Amino acid sequence: EAQVTQNPRYLITVTGKKLTVTCSQNMNHEYMSWYRQDPGLGLRQIYYSMNVEVTDKGDVPEGYKVSRKEKRNFPLILESPSPNQTSLYFCASSLDLYNEQFFGPGTRLTVL
Amino acid sequence: SQQGEEDPQALSIQEGENATMNCSYKTSINNLQWYRQNSGRGLVHLILIRSNEREKHSGRLRVTLDTSKKSSSLLITASRAADTASYFCATDENRDDKIIFGKGTRLHILP
Repeated sequence: EAQVTQNPRYLITVTGKKLTVTCSQNMNHEYMSWYRQDPGLGLRQIYYSMNVEVTDKGDVPEGYKVSRKEKRNFPLILESPSPNQTSLYFCASSLDLYNEQFFGPGTRLTVL
Repeated sequence: SQQGEEDPQALSIQEGENATMNCSYKTSINNLQWYRQNSGRGLVHLILIRSNEREKHSGRLRVTLDTSKKSSSLLITASRAADTASYFCATDENRDDKIIFGKGTRLHILP
């Protein structure tokens, strides 16, 4: 089944404790993105990747890192999480920038 | 920067009526997409319209695009309870490879 998976689905952590949210797609898509969704703000793009080893900042990249060592995986890294990073995070992938995106189920992160 | 902005923010209509949502954007685009999100879940792609298209249909959905006004509309005909969700437009920006989502329209279908 074609899908985007994210793990974990829920995470409660404390300020400063490094964490990684994994994202994987099985559709051989080139374009992958991370978004955060906050009430009243819609989805905002954090980072995106056009292909392996190519990553770029979205609109809200501060406090996040990503890597794209393989085509299928696009992990989101929070080196030192802070409470303002409490949010609902979505990973998405698409063939390229000009086609529909497939979204993962979301990761609800709480930073205390 | 917010590219797509949906209007209205919230909409309640009776089942069976038509629902119309609008999206405005600021820069030139290659395509515009509409997505649906059921309460806190992942987004589901509804329809994509390219900058050289003016109208597109998919089942009960009709999307229009007016590049001169930098706006798009999503029409859902004969609404059903299952259409209750948030709807988002998303655009690319010609000058880079970002995708920008609007803040969404919350649609509530009343029985």
